[in-house]
Amino acid sequence: LAKTTQPISMDSYEGQEVNITCSHNNIATNDYITWYQQFPSQGPRFIIQGYKTKVTNEVASLFIPADRKSSTLSLPRVSLSDTAVYYCLVPSNAGNMLTFGGGTRLMVKP
Amino acid sequence: DSGVTQTPKHLITATGQRVTLRCSPRSGDLSVYWYQQSLDQGLQFLIQYYNGEERAKGNILERFSAQQFPDLHSELNLSSLELGDSALYFCASSDRPQLAASYNEQFFGPGTRLTVL
Repeated sequence: LAKTTQPISMDSYEGQEVNITCSHNNIATNDYITWYQQFPSQGPRFIIQGYKTKVTNEVASLFIPADRKSSTLSLPRVSLSDTAVYYCLVPSNAGNMLTFGGGTRLMVKP
Repeated sequence: DSGVTQTPKHLITATGQRVTLRCSPRSGDLSVYWYQQSLDQGLQFLIQYYNGEERAKGNILERFSAQQFPDLHSELNLSSLELGDSALYFCASSDRPQLAASYNEQFFGPGTRLTVL
């Protein structure tokens, strides 16, 4: 099964760029890596998904190196409302299982 | 609002009891996923159904079972409840059958908070 590792917490200030890395071994070549955001007492919310190189949408970028053993979620110019827990999610067990990382608690300060 | 609904919002019960959690997916989504979130185990994938058929199974205990009905709503049944089953249970839906090797954006419901006393 894939094992995922994320930093437990990170602090940042408004307007800064934040990069959160998830290490994940044993994922298949075409498996997509997904990142979710979760606020207290709410369900996770999709941020971005990709399987190679770089993906960008209106809220974030996702960088995946060639060896695919990690991925980095990049949040440009964070605001106070970005304070949340961020999870990476990867398939495992030949696509029959999903494994969440432990989550990274991001605190954005004014 | 993700479009996924879950009932009840809160559930308090005693050890040994059985409960049923209900989920209605977004309109048009054929896949339903169940997750458990607890303080010590984090977010864990339990099971996926696609158009009424079990598609993938994760860390779901034998005391737990799920099904998806013809109208696509799903139920998660938890029996012989233990204190350790206290958690948030999330349902998510998507329009894709596969867990892997394809773009698959899941939409999560607000969750059911289960407390076992």
